[in-house]
Amino acid sequence: AQSVTQLGSHVSVSEGALVLLRCNYSSSVPPYLFWYVQYPNQGLQLLLKYTTGATLVKGINGFEAEFKKSETSFHLTKPSAHMSDAAEYFCATTGTASKLTFGTGTRLQVTL
Amino acid sequence: EAGVAQSPRYKIIEKRQSVAFWCNPISGHATLYWYQQILGQGPKLLIQFQNNGVVDDSQLPKDRFSAERLKGVDSTLKIQPAKLEDSAVYLCASSFGGSGNTIYFGEGSWLTVV
Repeated sequence: AQSVTQLGSHVSVSEGALVLLRCNYSSSVPPYLFWYVQYPNQGLQLLLKYTTGATLVKGINGFEAEFKKSETSFHLTKPSAHMSDAAEYFCATTGTASKLTFGTGTRLQVTL
Repeated sequence: EAGVAQSPRYKIIEKRQSVAFWCNPISGHATLYWYQQILGQGPKLLIQFQNNGVVDDSQLPKDRFSAERLKGVDSTLKIQPAKLEDSAVYLCASSFGGSGNTIYFGEGSWLTVV
């Protein structure tokens, strides 16, 4: 069964600093991988997804993620954090089924 | 383009009472999902529909939860009787189907059971 593991339930960065949120996947087949963001009291919004092709995926709001098969990772990065990036971030996978399996989430805090 | 619509947004009920949540997916989306998100956790799939048929309901507590998707469009999720541990956000989502297609989420229905 496909699954993802998010390392670090809370990450704190200064405004302008690099954001790195970690996600590792476990899958017996090539996975489809997603990052979603959830702002307080809101639903989930897709940041980016990897299906096939280019392993570096660019998303909205300046985020990107790189699919590394050798490391079974799909870490999310952003070069310069903004206060508005403070939210909960979820890594997810679908595998062969069309249902999303989520990680436990990482709460990103951005400080001045 | 209209997104996934859910109602009500917030609901407070006493344990053993019943509650129902409604979802209207994005037009044309054949696949509809209900997820449960308990505070501090990632969303967990409760049930997946393809048109009006159930694809996966393996994690739906069938003794108290039920869901239907009549005519393959709108869906209703019901809880009866509610327990304290059902306090969560119930997220409806939809997609065209297929593993790589984007799944779009509504804003959620927040349930508090007291």
